[in-house]
Amino acid sequence: QSALTQPPSASGSPGQSVTISCTGTSSDVGGYEYVSWYQQHPGKAPKLMIYEVSKRPSGVPDRFSGSKSGNTASLTVSGLQAEDEADYYCSSYAAINNYVFGTGTKVTVL
Amino acid sequence: QVQLQESGPGLVKPSETLSLTCIVSGGSVSSASYYWTWIRQPPGKGLEWIGYIYYTGGTNYPSYTASLKSRVTIVRDTSKNHFSLKLSSVTAADTAVYYCATMGQERLSFDIWGQGTMVTVSS
Repeated sequence: QSALTQPPSASGSPGQSVTISCTGTSSDVGGYEYVSWYQQHPGKAPKLMIYEVSKRPSGVPDRFSGSKSGNTASLTVSGLQAEDEADYYCSSYAAINNYVFGTGTKVTVL
Repeated sequence: QVQLQESGPGLVKPSETLSLTCIVSGGSVSSASYYWTWIRQPPGKGLEWIGYIYYTGGTNYPSYTASLKSRVTIVRDTSKNHFSLKLSSVTAADTAVYYCATMGQERLSFDIWGQGTMVTVSS
């Protein structure tokens, strides 16, 4: 089971949108609706931003949205703000009873 | 609201056993709502799921990393309301920040995280 593939970096200006991809296989991302996304600021623990592909936990701004098509999931951050600058990781349930993370994407707000 | 706090030695010698504990407050390790989980992150690298224990005491470890699965044990102590990680025969590759976390049984996401504890494997 390999790590899910994410681009190493992404960037955007304040107010713009940035989309991060997370590519797996039919045994993980493509096979289940259990993709989640995490935001991690330097030196801090990750924070859940999206679960079950597109659902937001209470308290997460609606600027964060998730989707999935085939074996690729995506996280979009709209209306970029300075505090959105962080590392982002996807995660997926993987057959059978495994969990795999993505390689991580550093988002820079220009 | 559940809160988690990792504790344990920050330095472990090669070939020895790494032992960490996650203290749970605001919830119970006997709760059927969560899988009680360990995740690690080597310096400058990504996250890796190590395994979890659930309310019955059953455990689940990654089947795709035989070298890790054969060395990991997760146990819980219901009287002290904590769960623990033991990783045997450690090497420098096991140097990482170790996080405990809850995973919701229904949505299979890592909902609540501890602050993490850095463990260095070195002689």
